[in-house]
Amino acid sequence: DIQMTQSPSSLPASVGDRVIITCRASQSISSSLNWYQQKPGKAPNLLIYGASTLQSGVPSRFRGSGFGTDFIFTVSNLQPEDFATYYCQETFSGSRTFGQGTRVEI
Amino acid sequence: QVQPVQSGAQVKKPGSSVKVSCKASGASLSHYNINWVRQAPGLGLEWMGGIVHISSPANYAQKFQGRLLINADESTSTAYMELRSLGSEDTAVYYCALEYGGKVDFWGQGTLVTVSS
Repeated sequence: DIQMTQSPSSLPASVGDRVIITCRASQSISSSLNWYQQKPGKAPNLLIYGASTLQSGVPSRFRGSGFGTDFIFTVSNLQPEDFATYYCQETFSGSRTFGQGTRVEI
Repeated sequence: QVQPVQSGAQVKKPGSSVKVSCKASGASLSHYNINWVRQAPGLGLEWMGGIVHISSPANYAQKFQGRLLINADESTSTAYMELRSLGSEDTAVYYCALEYGGKVDFWGQGTLVTVSS
């Protein structure tokens, strides 16, 4: 199975900040990477697919980039509702491995 | 728009099995890849396995090989996940998640499975 290494595991931040999360695949996954937001007690919510395409209805302050093995997820001008846990997930192989998650907290 | 609806919470004894269902409401399951993901209390998301097409064999994460069974019934648009030989470490919320074109954007509400003696 492909391994996904996501960092950091937690990220202290304030409203208005820009936060950056990285995700590295153990082998090339082309642009087959999704990013999700999850809030406590809720199912994950797809934010970005294909490494950089914003899901419909997702604010433009969320951005993804990268190709191959290294990917970056950015939230600009952090809003109160953005404090949550974020996960990357590869969709290249037969498995759909997730990164370990990044908790963005005040 | 498809909406996966999962079966309710269950409490199981160690060593037993659990079966969770996921019924697609609003569209046929045959249009989607079917994924099963779990989340233990306080931990991250873990992909367990999935079906690329409703009639194709399932792929399983190595960790679950041999004790996980995923299948689906096209006639009822329902997917199933059965996990055997349960231990306390299997206590988790189990999600089905439907995927189309690499977008995993339809998630069930989650099913809490508690393994306790």
